[in-house]
Amino acid sequence: QKEVEQNSGPLSVPEGAIASLNCTYSDRGSQSFFWYRQYSGKSPELIMFIYSNGDKEDGRFTAQLNKASQYVSLLIRDSQPSDSATYLCAVNNPFQGGSEKLVFGKGTKLTVNP
Amino acid sequence: NAGVTQTPKFRILKIGQSMTLQCAQDMNHNYMYWYRQDPGMGLKLIYYSVGAGITDKGEVPNGYNVSRSTTEDFPLRLELAAPSQTSVYFCASSYSTVRTEAFFGQGTRLTVV
Repeated sequence: QKEVEQNSGPLSVPEGAIASLNCTYSDRGSQSFFWYRQYSGKSPELIMFIYSNGDKEDGRFTAQLNKASQYVSLLIRDSQPSDSATYLCAVNNPFQGGSEKLVFGKGTKLTVNP
Repeated sequence: NAGVTQTPKFRILKIGQSMTLQCAQDMNHNYMYWYRQDPGMGLKLIYYSVGAGITDKGEVPNGYNVSRSTTEDFPLRLELAAPSQTSVYFCASSYSTVRTEAFFGQGTRLTVV
């Protein structure tokens, strides 16, 4: 069973701090990695994706990927109360026939305290 | 642009009843998915489709059926509802799963009593 693991949290940080969210995956063949944000009672929305080893920055968000360690992380700089949500890590897993599907972790709940 | 539309938003079913959750997308996406999300859990794939007429099972397909007669629509059928099917159901679509965003519908909250 291919798995995506995340710390369930909750993770609590003060406003203005850096929030660090981590994710590990079991399938070395995984190629694409996504971070979704889900507010309570809402549907997930994509905030970052990364395909290559290293860092990818988009505003206050930085995704980091290390395929050798099978590890992907999301850093949120200058955290705001509006960042309080559950963050879902998703990884694409290839399966027979060449089609692919997204496998999600359980999510990490982040609370940013004013 | 409507994106992914799910209906209904809420539903209460009695044990043994059946129903169909509707999902439609207007983005001409090839890939469509049904996920369920239980409290405090991530998303588990029920069924997916890579195009009209092509569907396949995900991680948790038991108790569900799907069809994909058009690119736009991907309904999920629950037969003989059980309390274990109480969950929030999300439909999603993407052009492909590689290097493109998956768009989610607003979800259907289903309770089986």
